[in-house]
Amino acid sequence: NAGVMQNPRHLVRRRGQEARLRCSPMKGHSHVYWYRQLPEEGLKFMVYLQKENIIDESGMPKERFSAEFPKEGPSILRIQQVVRGDSAAYFCASSPSGREPFFGQGTRLTVV
Amino acid sequence: KQEVTQIPAALSVPEGENLVLNCSFTDSAIYNLQWFRQDPGKGLTSLLLIQSSQREQTSGRLNASLDKSSGRSTLYIAASQPGDSATYLCAVPIDSGSRLTFGEGTQLTVNP
Repeated sequence: NAGVMQNPRHLVRRRGQEARLRCSPMKGHSHVYWYRQLPEEGLKFMVYLQKENIIDESGMPKERFSAEFPKEGPSILRIQQVVRGDSAAYFCASSPSGREPFFGQGTRLTVV
Repeated sequence: KQEVTQIPAALSVPEGENLVLNCSFTDSAIYNLQWFRQDPGKGLTSLLLIQSSQREQTSGRLNASLDKSSGRSTLYIAASQPGDSATYLCAVPIDSGSRLTFGEGTQLTVNP
């Protein structure tokens, strides 16, 4: 049973481009969480999804950021028109219902 | 709103020392508390999970304690080794689910 898989591990985008981060949860996990870690800061919760539903997006910036977890395929965190301040490590975690989450290795986004 | 604080922010010790990392949280109504390890450029590894009904958990040279009433947890590392060098994060669930609020971490360096 592979762990939580995130890709790409590193992503470089120019200002104004779109970034798409993918997360494949562990087998049997139907809950996905996205966190962001800005340089020199702790992890901050962004969004919680179950299959085809956004449960809690209270940590998502109001503009340019969106997330989905389709019935088939990985969860996607999408950042439109990236800016330098979006440079961070983005972590995905998954869990079965109501249990402690398992984290992926993260995607490190650099905006140049 | 739950806030998690970790002290110290950074710690440097010689190999072999026993050390204590501190974590405090503002809302004592937690379901559990989890300690993670994060290596540079890597993901999070769960070290110990303490349920709210427990006072401590042990794994090898690691011992974590929890005092809900005072809003504190400590992570004790015995006989530290250079391989213990990493950032240690504590986290508590936002509610009964799996979304977590993280502290900013303690960056530990164990010198040979």
